[in-house]
Amino acid sequence: DAGVTQSPTHLIKTRGQQVTLRCSPKSGHDTVSWYQQALGQGPQFIFQYYEEEERQRGNFPDRFSGHQFPNYSSELNVNALLLGDSALYLCASSLRDRGFYEQYFGPGTRLTVT
Amino acid sequence: AQSVTQLGSHVSVSEGALVLLRCNYSSSVPPYLFWYVQYPNQGLQLLLKYTTGATLVKGINGFEAEFKKSETSFHLTKPSAHMSDAAEYFCAVSDRSGGSNYKLTFGKGTLLTVNP
Repeated sequence: DAGVTQSPTHLIKTRGQQVTLRCSPKSGHDTVSWYQQALGQGPQFIFQYYEEEERQRGNFPDRFSGHQFPNYSSELNVNALLLGDSALYLCASSLRDRGFYEQYFGPGTRLTVT
Repeated sequence: AQSVTQLGSHVSVSEGALVLLRCNYSSSVPPYLFWYVQYPNQGLQLLLKYTTGATLVKGINGFEAEFKKSETSFHLTKPSAHMSDAAEYFCAVSDRSGGSNYKLTFGKGTLLTVNP
């Protein structure tokens, strides 16, 4: 049973550039959430996708956008990168009908903005 | 709004000693509570969760936690620390009301060091 996978593992970008991160959920899961984990901090919720729509959003600017595809995989896009966007980006998947929405995390994508 | 406070950003114990990592939460509705572990350069792994029922929950690797509503706490314990327990531990809360879509709110984490 494949777990949550994310690509790429590491990424280095320059300020002002745009980046796309990808996530494939655990087999059978239909909901994908994205989190940003800055160095030395706990993960912070960015947004959640279900049925190809953004269902909830955390306190992040519009530069952060996403998409969910019919196969439940998801992308996180960040435009106009800032130095402060350097972080580990975590994808978590869950099954909405499960009752308590336990979330399974992928290994993350380490983004460095220079 | 939900919040999580983890007391102690760094806890150091000797191998074989009791592990106690503290977590207090704030939530306007009965919450779901979770402990996750993160090893260096890896994602988060679920240790245990409280949803309903028994307030003492057992997880993987010998960890357990007790939900105390009156104290709004969900402390993580392990009777005897092992070197392999050295990692960062995160407490998280999820609002069980449907409108919030069950996002997780995390504490800032506690780094556990195990000394030989």
